[in-house]
Amino acid sequence: GNSVTQMEGPVTLSEEAFLTINCTYTATGYPSLFWYVQYPGEGLQLLLKATKADDKGSNKGFEATYRKETTSFHLEKGSVQVSDSAVYFCALSFTSGTYKYIFGTGTRLKVLA
Amino acid sequence: KAGVTQTPRYLIKTRGQQVTLSCSPISGHRSVSWYQQTPGQGLQFLFEYFSETQRNKGNFPGRFSGRQFSNSRSEMNVSTLELGDSALYLCASSLEGYSTEAFFGQGTRLTVV
Repeated sequence: GNSVTQMEGPVTLSEEAFLTINCTYTATGYPSLFWYVQYPGEGLQLLLKATKADDKGSNKGFEATYRKETTSFHLEKGSVQVSDSAVYFCALSFTSGTYKYIFGTGTRLKVLA
Repeated sequence: KAGVTQTPRYLIKTRGQQVTLSCSPISGHRSVSWYQQTPGQGLQFLFEYFSETQRNKGNFPGRFSGRQFSNSRSEMNVSTLELGDSALYLCASSLEGYSTEAFFGQGTRLTVV
């Protein structure tokens, strides 16, 4: 079946450190890939997305590249801030058929000043 | 442009009762999805509606049901509540429901006692 696997958290970093959150997927077909972020007490917000292999999504200093050969979509940021503390979800969706998002379990990021 | 509105934000119900949650999508969006979020299971897909039709359903018992109205507003109902139904219920709207950005509401926090 289709699934998304994320690295376990929590991830604790100092401000200005480099961030990587790993995400791999299993899918039949060619999904679109997403990273969503959830701040405390809030719903999910789209952070970035990529719709085909080798696409790079980017937003607010975060980047992720759709790697079909390794079925991965790792999230990176060069210099994290305290305000980046949140839970990050990797997800996939298809262009037709299933009409739903499949989410990873989420990775909590805590950035210390 | 108004975001996705979920009401109520918080609910406390007793085991055996039923509950109805409401979601108003972004204007012009025809797809509404519902997700259950718990610490143990993460984000789990409940169902998705598009133009008043349920297009997909997750692996939840029949006590969980939903519907969508002609104005795209959606409701979900849970009957015979169990303690395990305590969760954050998130609604997401999107233009078409797949491979397009899903906009999430802040959720309804349901506590079953």
